Amino acid sequence: ETGVTQTPRHLVMGMTNKKSLKCEQHLGHNAMYWYKQSAKKPLELMFVYSLEERVENNSVPSRFSPECPNSSHLFLHLHTLQPEDSALYLCASSRGLTGELFFGEGSRLTVL
Amino acid sequence: GEDVEQSLFLSVREGDSSVINCTYTDSSSTYLYWYKQEPGAGLQLLTYIFSNMDMKQDQRLTVLLNKKDKHLSLRIADTQTGDSAIYFCAEFGAAGNKLTFGGGTRVLVKP
Repeated sequence: ETGVTQTPRHLVMGMTNKKSLKCEQHLGHNAMYWYKQSAKKPLELMFVYSLEERVENNSVPSRFSPECPNSSHLFLHLHTLQPEDSALYLCASSRGLTGELFFGEGSRLTVL
Repeated sequence: GEDVEQSLFLSVREGDSSVINCTYTDSSSTYLYWYKQEPGAGLQLLTYIFSNMDMKQDQRLTVLLNKKDKHLSLRIADTQTGDSAIYFCAEFGAAGNKLTFGGGTRVLVKP
């Protein structure tokens, strides 16, 4: 139990669906992150929120839309995805913008 | 830009020491980290070292940093089957306030 909870753990969706991934942290942290982990690439940082403001957006396609309504919750809204978007999506949090991240267990996404 | 490289795979016998190596390109990194990922789980921070240190020991883990060669290693003493996992090296600070991860080293511990 890392204090970072991701739901759903597994998601299968068609290319025309809209779905959302949810992340919640119970650690009192003020920064939250989305990472993409796929088989053939290193971990890719997608988005960073600090104090509920987006501070990093690493050239992520607009079919991924993050939302951070408060410092404990982070969402990743998914729309019109491609099969190559199939991956493990990891949420993390930290106290400030540091390298000490606490990760959730990930949401395994499969796009058909 | 920053780049972090690791070998893909390491096989070790239970009870032996494991050494996982990592190289990075940007000397302006302030901290270097080791994370562990077990099957079906997220990453877990194992240990880290500040860039002006050359060694840090934490129970069975020893981190060595050669800043001149931009080489980082993680030694696990008395490796156990529970140490089988993917180990990620990461640097912080070279590209702003974010981590850059290596590709991970898969460690397999054989009984």
